[in-house]
Amino acid sequence: QKEVEQDPGPLSVPEGAIVSLNCTYSNSAFQYFMWYRQYSRKGPELLMYTYSSGNKEDGRFTAQVDKSSKYISLFIRDSQPSDSATYLCASYTSGTYKYIFGTGTRLKVLA
Amino acid sequence: EAGVTQFPSHSVIEKGQTVTLRCDPISGHDNLYWYRRVMGKEIKFLLHFVKESKQDESGMPNNRFLAERTGGTYSTLKVQPAELEDSGVYFCASSPLLAGGDEQFFGPGTRLTVL
Repeated sequence: QKEVEQDPGPLSVPEGAIVSLNCTYSNSAFQYFMWYRQYSRKGPELLMYTYSSGNKEDGRFTAQVDKSSKYISLFIRDSQPSDSATYLCASYTSGTYKYIFGTGTRLKVLA
Repeated sequence: EAGVTQFPSHSVIEKGQTVTLRCDPISGHDNLYWYRRVMGKEIKFLLHFVKESKQDESGMPNNRFLAERTGGTYSTLKVQPAELEDSGVYFCASSPLLAGGDEQFFGPGTRLTVL
Protein backbone atom coordinates (compact mmCIF):
# COMPACT_ATOMS: atom_id res chain seq x y z
CA GLN A 1 0.00 0.00 0.00
CA LYS A 2 1.31 3.44 -0.94
CA GLU A 3 1.75 5.86 1.93
CA VAL A 4 -0.05 8.61 0.03
CA GLU A 5 -2.86 7.75 -2.37
CA GLN A 6 -4.21 10.14 -4.97
CA ASP A 7 -6.68 9.67 -7.80
CA PRO A 8 -4.75 10.37 -11.03
CA GLY A 9 -7.79 11.79 -12.84
CA PRO A 10 -8.01 13.44 -15.28
CA LEU A 11 -10.59 15.74 -13.78
CA SER A 12 -12.35 18.14 -16.17
CA VAL A 13 -14.43 21.04 -14.89
CA PRO A 14 -15.94 24.16 -16.47
CA GLU A 15 -14.41 27.55 -15.79
CA GLY A 16 -15.70 29.06 -12.55
CA ALA A 17 -16.39 25.71 -10.89
CA ILE A 18 -15.23 24.78 -7.41
CA VAL A 19 -12.65 22.02 -7.63
CA SER A 20 -12.03 19.49 -4.89
CA LEU A 21 -8.81 17.48 -4.98
CA ASN A 22 -8.16 14.79 -2.41
CA CYS A 23 -5.52 12.48 -1.00
CA THR A 24 -5.51 9.83 1.67
CA TYR A 25 -2.50 8.71 3.63
CA SER A 26 -1.68 5.74 5.80
CA ASN A 27 1.19 6.93 8.03
CA SER A 28 -0.28 8.41 11.20
CA ALA A 29 3.10 9.99 11.98
CA PHE A 30 2.75 12.47 9.11
CA GLN A 31 2.50 15.99 10.49
CA TYR A 32 3.15 18.27 7.54
CA PHE A 33 1.03 18.36 4.41
CA MET A 34 1.71 20.13 1.15
CA TRP A 35 0.04 20.76 -2.18
CA TYR A 36 2.13 21.38 -5.25
CA ARG A 37 1.02 22.43 -8.72
CA GLN A 38 2.99 21.17 -11.69
CA TYR A 39 2.57 22.45 -15.22
CA SER A 40 3.65 20.24 -18.08
CA ARG A 41 7.44 19.93 -18.37
CA LYS A 42 7.96 22.17 -15.32
CA GLY A 43 8.95 21.51 -11.72
CA PRO A 44 6.45 21.28 -8.86
CA GLU A 45 5.47 24.67 -7.45
CA LEU A 46 4.50 24.91 -3.78
CA LEU A 47 0.91 26.05 -3.34
CA MET A 48 0.00 25.28 0.25
CA TYR A 49 1.94 24.09 3.29
CA THR A 50 0.07 23.09 6.45
CA TYR A 51 0.96 21.62 9.79
CA SER A 52 -1.32 19.09 11.50
CA SER A 53 -5.11 19.29 11.19
CA GLY A 54 -7.20 22.24 10.15
CA ASN A 55 -7.78 24.63 7.28
CA LYS A 56 -5.53 27.09 5.53
CA GLU A 57 -6.70 29.61 2.96
CA ASP A 58 -4.70 31.52 0.37
CA GLY A 59 -6.68 33.44 -2.21
CA ARG A 60 -8.79 31.02 -4.21
CA PHE A 61 -7.10 28.00 -2.61
CA THR A 62 -8.06 26.27 0.64
CA ALA A 63 -6.19 23.30 2.07
CA GLN A 64 -7.85 21.03 4.59
CA VAL A 65 -6.29 18.30 6.70
CA ASP A 66 -8.32 15.81 8.72
CA LYS A 67 -5.85 13.68 10.66
CA SER A 68 -8.59 11.56 12.23
CA SER A 69 -9.55 10.20 8.82
CA LYS A 70 -6.09 10.69 7.24
CA TYR A 71 -7.61 12.83 4.51
CA ILE A 72 -6.07 15.83 2.72
CA SER A 73 -8.05 18.16 0.48
CA LEU A 74 -7.39 21.13 -1.75
CA PHE A 75 -10.28 23.32 -2.87
CA ILE A 76 -9.98 25.76 -5.74
CA ARG A 77 -12.70 28.39 -6.01
CA ASP A 78 -13.63 30.14 -9.25
CA SER A 79 -11.36 27.84 -11.23
CA GLN A 80 -9.61 29.30 -14.26
CA PRO A 81 -8.15 27.67 -17.39
CA SER A 82 -4.73 28.69 -16.02
CA ASP A 83 -5.35 26.30 -13.11
CA SER A 84 -5.09 23.39 -15.55
CA ALA A 85 -2.12 21.40 -14.26
CA THR A 86 -1.23 18.34 -12.22
CA TYR A 87 -1.77 18.76 -8.47
CA LEU A 88 0.46 16.78 -6.14
CA CYS A 89 -0.10 16.20 -2.46
CA ALA A 90 2.82 15.36 -0.20
CA SER A 91 3.45 14.68 3.47
CA TYR A 92 6.33 14.13 5.82
CA THR A 93 7.14 13.35 9.42
CA SER A 94 8.82 15.79 11.74
CA GLY A 95 12.52 14.95 12.05
CA THR A 96 12.77 13.62 8.52
CA TYR A 97 12.62 15.87 5.50
CA LYS A 98 11.73 13.11 3.08
CA TYR A 99 8.61 14.20 1.24
CA ILE A 100 6.23 11.36 0.35
CA PHE A 101 4.23 12.27 -2.75
CA GLY A 102 0.98 11.09 -4.23
CA THR A 103 0.96 10.32 -7.95
CA GLY A 104 -0.79 13.60 -8.77
CA THR A 105 -4.23 14.49 -10.17
CA ARG A 106 -4.47 16.02 -13.63
CA LEU A 107 -6.94 18.89 -13.68
CA LYS A 108 -8.34 20.49 -16.80
CA VAL A 109 -10.43 23.67 -16.50
CA LEU A 110 -12.43 24.25 -19.65
CA ALA A 111 -13.04 27.81 -20.87
CA GLU B 1 15.45 35.85 -6.31
CA ALA B 2 16.54 33.03 -8.61
CA GLY B 3 14.92 29.67 -8.05
CA VAL B 4 16.46 26.23 -8.09
CA THR B 5 18.17 25.57 -11.40
CA GLN B 6 19.09 22.25 -12.96
CA PHE B 7 21.31 21.31 -15.85
CA PRO B 8 20.85 19.81 -18.35
CA SER B 9 17.13 20.03 -18.92
CA HIS B 10 17.22 16.86 -20.98
CA SER B 11 19.79 14.12 -21.46
CA VAL B 12 19.67 11.13 -23.78
CA ILE B 13 22.36 8.50 -23.27
CA GLU B 14 22.92 4.87 -24.07
CA LYS B 15 22.87 2.08 -21.55
CA GLY B 16 26.25 1.75 -19.92
CA GLN B 17 27.22 5.40 -20.32
CA THR B 18 27.73 7.90 -17.53
CA VAL B 19 25.63 10.98 -16.92
CA THR B 20 26.10 13.79 -14.43
CA LEU B 21 23.21 16.01 -13.41
CA ARG B 22 23.75 19.35 -11.73
CA CYS B 23 21.60 21.31 -9.31
CA ASP B 24 22.08 24.86 -8.07
CA PRO B 25 19.88 25.53 -5.04
CA ILE B 26 18.39 28.83 -4.02
CA SER B 27 21.16 30.99 -2.57
CA GLY B 28 21.44 30.55 1.18
CA HIS B 29 19.53 27.27 1.30
CA ASP B 30 21.50 24.72 3.28
CA ASN B 31 19.13 21.82 2.61
CA LEU B 32 19.32 20.21 -0.82
CA TYR B 33 17.31 17.21 -1.97
CA TRP B 34 17.22 14.93 -4.97
CA TYR B 35 14.01 13.25 -6.06
CA ARG B 36 13.12 11.15 -9.08
CA ARG B 37 9.93 10.45 -11.00
CA VAL B 38 9.82 7.33 -13.10
CA MET B 39 7.07 7.31 -15.72
CA GLY B 40 3.67 6.57 -14.29
CA LYS B 41 4.91 6.62 -10.71
CA GLU B 42 5.01 9.18 -7.94
CA ILE B 43 7.95 11.46 -7.23
CA LYS B 44 10.30 9.58 -4.90
CA PHE B 45 12.95 10.83 -2.53
CA LEU B 46 16.57 9.94 -3.28
CA LEU B 47 18.68 11.84 -0.76
CA HIS B 48 19.10 14.90 1.42
CA PHE B 49 22.15 17.10 1.99
CA VAL B 50 22.59 19.54 4.83
CA LYS B 51 25.32 21.81 3.58
CA GLU B 52 27.95 19.39 2.27
CA SER B 53 26.93 16.43 4.45
CA LYS B 54 24.61 13.62 3.40
CA GLN B 55 21.82 13.61 5.98
CA ASP B 56 19.70 10.85 4.49
CA GLU B 57 20.48 8.74 1.45
CA SER B 58 17.92 6.04 2.10
CA GLY B 59 16.23 6.57 -1.28
CA MET B 60 19.30 6.01 -3.46
CA PRO B 61 18.46 2.95 -5.58
CA ASN B 62 21.93 1.38 -5.74
CA ASN B 63 25.63 2.14 -5.84
CA ARG B 64 25.50 3.24 -9.47
CA PHE B 65 24.22 6.57 -8.14
CA LEU B 66 26.65 9.00 -6.54
CA ALA B 67 25.65 12.41 -5.20
CA GLU B 68 28.06 15.10 -4.11
CA ARG B 69 27.79 18.60 -2.76
CA THR B 70 31.26 19.97 -2.41
CA GLY B 71 31.45 23.25 -0.51
CA GLY B 72 27.77 23.09 0.37
CA THR B 73 26.63 24.96 -2.74
CA TYR B 74 25.70 23.16 -5.94
CA SER B 75 25.22 19.41 -6.11
CA THR B 76 25.85 16.76 -8.74
CA LEU B 77 24.19 13.39 -9.20
CA LYS B 78 26.18 10.93 -11.26
CA VAL B 79 24.76 7.73 -12.68
CA GLN B 80 27.43 5.25 -13.73
CA PRO B 81 26.79 3.02 -15.60
CA ALA B 82 23.27 4.03 -16.59
CA GLU B 83 20.60 1.36 -17.00
CA LEU B 84 17.27 1.51 -18.84
CA GLU B 85 15.32 1.71 -15.58
CA ASP B 86 17.15 4.92 -14.63
CA SER B 87 15.06 6.83 -17.18
CA GLY B 88 12.84 9.43 -15.59
CA VAL B 89 12.76 13.01 -14.41
CA TYR B 90 15.25 13.95 -11.71
CA PHE B 91 14.21 16.86 -9.52
CA CYS B 92 16.31 18.86 -7.15
CA ALA B 93 14.80 20.85 -4.30
CA SER B 94 16.19 23.15 -1.66
CA SER B 95 15.05 24.71 1.60
CA PRO B 96 16.53 26.97 4.26
CA LEU B 97 17.87 25.46 7.46
CA LEU B 98 15.09 26.34 9.88
CA ALA B 99 13.69 24.76 12.99
CA GLY B 100 10.22 23.31 12.59
CA GLY B 101 8.74 22.97 9.15
CA ASP B 102 10.58 22.59 5.89
CA GLU B 103 9.17 24.08 2.68
CA GLN B 104 11.00 22.61 -0.25
CA PHE B 105 11.31 24.53 -3.51
CA PHE B 106 11.75 22.43 -6.61
CA GLY B 107 13.73 22.95 -9.77
CA PRO B 108 12.41 22.26 -13.27
CA GLY B 109 13.95 18.80 -13.39
CA THR B 110 16.31 16.94 -15.71
CA ARG B 111 14.62 14.48 -18.03
CA LEU B 112 16.93 11.49 -18.43
CA THR B 113 16.37 8.97 -21.20
CA VAL B 114 18.52 5.84 -21.25
CA LEU B 115 18.35 3.93 -24.55
